[in-house]
Amino acid sequence: AQKITQTQPGMFVQEKEAVTLDCTYDTSDQSYGLFWYKQPSSGEMIFLIYQGSYDEQNATEGRYSLNFQKARKSANLVISASQLGDSAMYFCAMREFNTNAGKSTFGDGTTLTVKP
Amino acid sequence: DADVTQTPRNRITKTGKRIMLECSQTKGHDRMYWYRQDPGLGLRLIYYSFDVKDINKGEISDGYSVSRQAQAKFSLSLESAIPNQTALYFCATSDLGGRDNEQFFGPGTRLTVL
Repeated sequence: AQKITQTQPGMFVQEKEAVTLDCTYDTSDQSYGLFWYKQPSSGEMIFLIYQGSYDEQNATEGRYSLNFQKARKSANLVISASQLGDSAMYFCAMREFNTNAGKSTFGDGTTLTVKP
Repeated sequence: DADVTQTPRNRITKTGKRIMLECSQTKGHDRMYWYRQDPGLGLRLIYYSFDVKDINKGEISDGYSVSRQAQAKFSLSLESAIPNQTALYFCATSDLGGRDNEQFFGPGTRLTVL
């Protein structure tokens, strides 16, 4: 079974608008972390935001916030006030600390295009 | 200077050749990982190492081997490269505890096997 599911292969957003990128996950581990990475066309992986399974508040990092709904096993990334430089591929990833030796599992990504 | 470096950054080779990709880190992390990324897909784990004496296979280890020469160095070898190993390869490091469970990625190596 897919551990990380990103159902949106591609998304478009108008510059300055907000966009939500979906991520659902599957785990039986009680202790896990959820990450979002940005991969621009140059190829590097850029860490954006982290949410721990025991964190009670949704994580925020500047224009990025993570809408964490534990019961639904979803960890959607919200980008506010989109910029042209946000055009990239975005990956959701999960690390399971007890059952999977802390290894990361990645989704297949969502390509975001910001329109001027 | 980058915390995680990979060499080479790009490599074109022929089927059957032996190739080594190298990774070095200055973060002092014990854990190191090798991933491959195929076009349009996420990263898949090839091998990982939790310390110098601990090497483990990931989900797609066939056709690859690794060497952890020191805490700071983790090399990936393709013993006999084949075209379907053409991919973008990432090295990553991590440490234990809280927010530091973040993985830090190298810049990637683009490998083409002809």
